[in-house]
Formats: sequence, C-alpha cells, structure tokens
Amino acid sequence: DGGITQSPKYLFRKEGQNVTLSCEQNLNHDAMYWYRQDPGQGLRLIYYSQIVNDFQKGDIAEGYSVSREKKESFPLTVTSAQKNPTAFYLCASMREGLNTQYFGPGTRLTVL
Amino acid sequence: AQSVTQPDIHITVSEGASLELRCNYSYGATPYLFWYVQSPGQGLQLLLKYFSGDTLVQGIKGFEAEFKRSQSSFNLRKPSVHWSDAAEHFCAVGTYGGSQGNLIFGKGTKLSVKP
Repeated sequence: DGGITQSPKYLFRKEGQNVTLSCEQNLNHDAMYWYRQDPGQGLRLIYYSQIVNDFQKGDIAEGYSVSREKKESFPLTVTSAQKNPTAFYLCASMREGLNTQYFGPGTRLTVL
Repeated sequence: AQSVTQPDIHITVSEGASLELRCNYSYGATPYLFWYVQSPGQGLQLLLKYFSGDTLVQGIKGFEAEFKRSQSSFNLRKPSVHWSDAAEHFCAVGTYGGSQGNLIFGKGTKLSVKP
C-alpha cells in the first residue's frame, strides 16, 4: 500500500531533550511538509522541502530542524530551543504539479 | 496577506439534517481551495478540492462545496448528515506558484451530530 507513515504515534520526552519525529512516504512525491497543530489553532507550517537536499522555513520554524537526504524521508527534530513543543505534528507530501497535499497519521509529542 | 476564516468554531446538527460549513479566504490570485476532515487523534483526509472550472465540486462521503469568487467563499455542504461525519473540518487555500507553495489553513469547525 502506498502512503505516508509517521512514527511513533505517541512520544514523550523530558524538557531540554532533542527529539526526532519520523516521516516516510512511498508515493514518489517530490515535496514534503511538516505542520504543527494546537487545539483551536488549525495547522501551521514548520518546514517544507520541494527536492532532496533542499528545504525552506515555514511560519514557525524556530526551535525546529529538518533534513532531506532521501526523497522518501523528511525527519523533523524538535530541539530544546523550542519553547512549547507539546503538540500534534503532521507530515504531508505532494507530487509536483498536482498541488494537493496528502497527510500522514500524525505524532503526538508530549514534553514533561 | 493570505488568510482563511472559518467563522463557526463548533456546529451541532441532527442526524439526517442538512449541513453547511462556512469558509472565507483572502488571496490575491485565483486560489486552489480544499476541504479536509480530521477525526480525533488522526491525520487529515481530503474531502474535495477546487482548482478551476465548474464552481460546484463533489467530494467523498457525499460532500460538495461551491466556490463563489464574488464572496471569496468556499462553503462545504451535505444534504443529509450521518453520525460518522462528526469530526473537525478544515478549509485551506493553496498558495502554489513560482518556487514556493504551501497550504494556509483555517482554524477548523468541529461538527457534532445529534442522534
């Protein structure tokens, strides 16, 4: 089955620790995205990547980092500099030219 | 600046009743418009999209939406709501073009369905 996988579904970390969220897609999509979702806030763009080895900051990139070494993978690291990291994180991907993003199941990060 | 407004935070309808969820957008060019649905703790599922052409678009699960350029609106409708439609619904504008592009989301409308 083709799709987008995010792991783990739930993640707990202590304050001050960096944590990496996984996003993998086997749809052969070119672009990949990371969003953060907070209650009542909709989705906000953290980072996106349109091609391998290239990525751009979104609206709330501070305290986050990404890499895009492979077309299929776009991991997100939540660093200790992120002041309020507890949230639901969603990954999406899109085939270039089709302008439609498809979403993974999400990872809920709780920082204790 | 581009923005999406969903005026209703929470709507409750009876099962079998009709539904309309409102969405207004602000965008300078012709927009790409989307409706997504999210069940609790899940990812987003695409309900329907509008890029061009017929302003009334059909989606999955019996949903439809109408693009009205003069009102900058893209309201979501369903003639008869089912209990399984209870979820958070998000309207989004795609700002694609040039070297950049992403989705701008509204804050969502939570739909509750009464038996």
